[in-house]
Amino acid sequence: EPEVTQTPSHQVTQMGQEVILRCVPISNHLYFYWYRQILGQKVEFLVSFYNNEISEKSEIFDDQFSVERPDGSNFTLKIRSTKLEDSAMYFCASSREIPYNSPLHFGNGTRLTVT
Amino acid sequence: SQQGEEDPQALSIQEGENATMNCSYKTSINNLQWYRQNSGRGLVHLILIRSNEREKHSGRLRVTLDTSKKSSSLLITASRAADTASYFCATDVRQGAQKLVFGQGTRLTINP
Repeated sequence: EPEVTQTPSHQVTQMGQEVILRCVPISNHLYFYWYRQILGQKVEFLVSFYNNEISEKSEIFDDQFSVERPDGSNFTLKIRSTKLEDSAMYFCASSREIPYNSPLHFGNGTRLTVT
Repeated sequence: SQQGEEDPQALSIQEGENATMNCSYKTSINNLQWYRQNSGRGLVHLILIRSNEREKHSGRLRVTLDTSKKSSSLLITASRAADTASYFCATDVRQGAQKLVFGQGTRLTINP
């Protein structure tokens, strides 16, 4: 069964550095998402992406964050200048249809540690 | 309170017993979904129930939806140790929303 893959599984970076988290969504899916989960807390929506543009974003997704689908298969999340509070699990997800009408398929996440 | 709130926050039962988790939400919804998360892993979709449905089954899972009370329940029958995980409900928050909002989750522990 096709699955969403994320790399790396664990990323350690110093505060102020840029990080890029990578995802390969399921190939025939049209909607793409990033969520994050701080240890022991709820899964928080960051951004959704459809038709090569951001369709919705949360308050968390400020100017330090950006997403890109550079080549039709990869979907990336960039954090320009990481802060300690960016430490979390970052999950990429994709769906075939609009999210309320279709299951989201999640990757296994990238654990980002900012020191 | 938040859009999706699960209750209880944690539940510990013996293998073979049934586990019931509840979810309440605030806004009108199109559908409600339940997901499972094993420790340190991504979320796995379990079941989607539409706003015009009242009950749905999938294997040992039974989901109910009461739109008048803005609540849903997930019942896992004949629990197994492998069911140990966190369970989340997720909803859209308005017409045309391009996101799902997840609740805090219920941490379910099945004791052998």
